[in-house]
Amino acid sequence: DADVTQTPRNRITKTGKRIMLECSQTKGHDRMYWYRQDPGLGLQLIYYSFDVKDINKGEISDGYSVSRQAQAKFSLSLESAIPNQTALYFCATSDTPGQGSGGLDEQFFGPGTRLTVL
Amino acid sequence: GENVEQHPSTLSVQEGDSAVIKCTYSDSASNYFPWYKQELGKGPQLIIDIRSNVGEKKDQRIAVTLNKTAKHFSLHITETQPEDSAVYFCAASRGTGGGNKLTFGTGTQLKVEL
Repeated sequence: DADVTQTPRNRITKTGKRIMLECSQTKGHDRMYWYRQDPGLGLQLIYYSFDVKDINKGEISDGYSVSRQAQAKFSLSLESAIPNQTALYFCATSDTPGQGSGGLDEQFFGPGTRLTVL
Repeated sequence: GENVEQHPSTLSVQEGDSAVIKCTYSDSASNYFPWYKQELGKGPQLIIDIRSNVGEKKDQRIAVTLNKTAKHFSLHITETQPEDSAVYFCAASRGTGGGNKLTFGTGTQLKVEL
């Protein structure tokens, strides 16, 4: 969805390096999410945020941190990358109950960032 | 927490045939069940969803059924077309009451052959 953008789209890095993946959205949604996708494992939730001052751990937060710089921006950091963090990373957004029109539960995904850790 | 199982992992059908993908969930408090389609190189996109107060929902060639007692739900695609080829994910959630957190199945690679 063009309303949710992720940078970079592809990144190759080395073990031990610090990496930041960025997500921006123009949908005006308060809620943002970071997922990791591995072959055969579906999507797993890393962190999520309901507003600028709210950060919550997901299923697999170890080795990751996030920053919600503004309503429209949510960044994912790998402080010291390791090879098993090689994966496809997706950012998503959703509306907040009581705001906007229907489809409150729908999550809108960005195009993904393919990260390779050597 | 919630656990969602999805089958089959791969599915190949002839164009025009029907395709069925099945999912089971474990959390009886889950009340929202979306299906996402992921095309190559893109993020997942919602194609249909169903809430626990409904047993079936249709949208043109796609339909979803929900059996709350058995805790399973299925995606049905009729008259399949080549553009239906993609990876499909089911998911379960407690909805807005659970913070919109989705638990995804492991995905089904659907291939529609000419």
